[in-house]
Amino acid sequence: DAKTTQPNSMESNEEEPVHLPCNHSTISGTDYIHWYRQLPSQGPEYVIHGLTSNVNNRMASLAIAEDRKSSTLILHRATLRDAAVYYCILRAPFSGNTPLVFGKGTRLSVIA
Amino acid sequence: KAGVTQTPRYLIKTRGQQVTLSCSPISGHRSVSWYQQTPGQGLQFLFEYFSETQRNKGNFPGRFSGRQFSNSRSEMNVSTLELGDSALYLCASSLAGRDQPQHFGDGTRLSIL
Repeated sequence: DAKTTQPNSMESNEEEPVHLPCNHSTISGTDYIHWYRQLPSQGPEYVIHGLTSNVNNRMASLAIAEDRKSSTLILHRATLRDAAVYYCILRAPFSGNTPLVFGKGTRLSVIA
Repeated sequence: KAGVTQTPRYLIKTRGQQVTLSCSPISGHRSVSWYQQTPGQGLQFLFEYFSETQRNKGNFPGRFSGRQFSNSRSEMNVSTLELGDSALYLCASSLAGRDQPQHFGDGTRLSIL
C-alpha cells in the first residue's frame, strides 16, 4: 500500500468544522482512499472511503484533490465524541480483504 | 445488528504461558482479521481468515497462530508468551468482496507479567 502523511495532532473547538488533511503523493491511479478513526479504549471504526469524487455519508465528507495526491476528511460540526485518532489509508481496488496498513494517524482533540 | 465481539476483554498472563483469544464476527461476515496494537509499533496486521482458510499473514513469529471455525468465529493463540506480547489484540470482520470496510471489535488487552 502507498504511503500517506498526516499531521500528528490537531485541535478543534466543539461545534466547529474540522478539516483533517492527508497527503498521498505516490497514490496509484486505482487506489481507494479510506478513513478510519479510533476512539479511546475502542477498536478502529470505518468512517468513509472514495476514489476520485467527493463523498458524503452520515459521519463525514471526503474531499479528494483533482490530482488525487491529497485528500481531506471533513467533520462538519465537531463534537466531544469525535475526539479520536484518524487514519488515512490507501487500498488497492479488488484488494478484497487484504490487510489495512495503519500509519500513526492524526490525534484530534475537541475543546468544549 | 450486533458488532464484533471479542473475549475476554482483559487478560493477565506470565511469561512462558500460552493464551487463546476469541472473536465472534458480525453475522454474515466470513472474513476475520487480527491486528496487534502497541504504543511503539501501532496497529500491525497478524493474519486473516476466510472460510476457515488463512489467506494472509503478517510478519509475526510462529508463536502466533489462529484458526477459523465453520460458523466464522475465530481464535488466535499465542504460545510461549514474552513480555513484548503485551498489547491490545483487535479482531475485525468484513463481508466478502472487493473493498469492503472492516468492522473492529474493542479488543482484548493482554498483559504479560
